[in-house]
Amino acid sequence: ETGVTQTPRHLVMGMTNKKSLKCEQHLGHNAMYWYKQSAKKPLELMFVYSLEERVENNSVPSRFSPECPNSSHLFLHLHTLQPEDSALYLCASSQVERGRGGYTFGSGTRLTVV
Amino acid sequence: AQTVTQSQPEMSVQEAETVTLSCTYDTSESDYYLFWYKQPPSRQMILVIRQEAYKQQNATENRFSVNFQKAAKSFSLKISDSQLGDAAMYFCAYRSSLTYSGGGADGLTFGKGTHLIIQP
Repeated sequence: ETGVTQTPRHLVMGMTNKKSLKCEQHLGHNAMYWYKQSAKKPLELMFVYSLEERVENNSVPSRFSPECPNSSHLFLHLHTLQPEDSALYLCASSQVERGRGGYTFGSGTRLTVV
Repeated sequence: AQTVTQSQPEMSVQEAETVTLSCTYDTSESDYYLFWYKQPPSRQMILVIRQEAYKQQNATENRFSVNFQKAAKSFSLKISDSQLGDAAMYFCAYRSSLTYSGGGADGLTFGKGTHLIIQP
């Protein structure tokens, strides 16, 4: 147990479905992140919530929508996904001040879009 | 933008031997932080070691040590006395400010990873 919990662990969804990924951290961190990990590609930073400020990454399609109701919880809402969105989605948390150690990651949600 | 390059997609080492994983990065910043993460089949990204750029001394954590060459922008990881449990994907990462952020948000930029195989 690392202090960052992601659910569900696996998710299979159709292209017309709507689903949500959940992340919870109990480390007292003030920043949370969503990363996408695809085969043969570096991890891609999708979204950042830092000091409760949402930081937009304009390269992420609008079919992905994050939500951060408080500093301990982070969601990723999914709708009308494409097969190429199949990947491992990792949540992480940290202290926003640089140098306060690395990020703490969850075990990820393996998403398959059919 | 910062980039991180890991030129070895896969490395293999005999148990109890020493292996070095390479990482180079590109940055115009003078103060930054570098990390090595390990990702075993369980998918958990585990922090192995971190290096602060302003420190000349190489970081060490038990059997793991780094060779940090700031001028060359190189950050290699040495694993001594390799154990079967060391088998995993290893990622080099750079912590930097986000160029599209107006505030203090930062992000980790990762390399593509090196798959480390331990031969018994």
